[in-house]
Amino acid sequence: KQEVTQIPAALSVPEGENLVLNCSFTDSAIYNLQWFRQDPGKGLTSLLLIQSSQREQTSGRLNASLDKSSGRSTLYIAASQPGDSATYLCAVRLDSGAGSYQLTFGKGTKLSVIP
Amino acid sequence: GAVVSQHPSRVICKSGTSVKIECRSLDFQATTMFWYRQFPKQSLMLMATSNEGSKATYEQGVEKDKFLINHASLTLSTLTVTSAHPEDSSFYICSASRGISTDTQYFGPGTRLTVL
Repeated sequence: KQEVTQIPAALSVPEGENLVLNCSFTDSAIYNLQWFRQDPGKGLTSLLLIQSSQREQTSGRLNASLDKSSGRSTLYIAASQPGDSATYLCAVRLDSGAGSYQLTFGKGTKLSVIP
Repeated sequence: GAVVSQHPSRVICKSGTSVKIECRSLDFQATTMFWYRQFPKQSLMLMATSNEGSKATYEQGVEKDKFLINHASLTLSTLTVTSAHPEDSSFYICSASRGISTDTQYFGPGTRLTVL
């Protein structure tokens, strides 16, 4: 059974600092990995999706990397801003055949960016 | 594009009553929809997967007679929590996919259920 772990559970940084969020998964046979942002009491906003054949994806100040063989992904946030404060979730989709779309989520990292 | 809505966003009900939550894909046809539950400080846990016109597939430990899922059209899925109890209080999130193997899931904003 796929398990997804995110470290740290919570992180507080001063504004402007660069930071890294970590995600690890136990089954390396993944189809893709996705990073989401969740604001309190809200749904999920997709940030970056990395296919299993890719090593990284970038969007603005965000960069996500994937090392499938070691079961790890990192989300790098450059020049953090107070508006980045949220919970960041990592989710993996297993490569278990056509029609299998199940996502397994980590518990998330709660990020607070202090002005 | 790819917007998913949920209604209601928040509901409070008495123990023993039933509650229906709607999930709609607003600008695309969703062959497959998913229902997740999220307890405080926990990850999203998949409850069930539904394909339009078929019976839902429930994850282990999820009671299908308690959590009734209907996916009668390509834009609407409903989750009915029957005979709700306080332990059913949670954040319920749906997602929708076009059903193409390469497609991602698009998430709704969630529904906060509180059972008194």
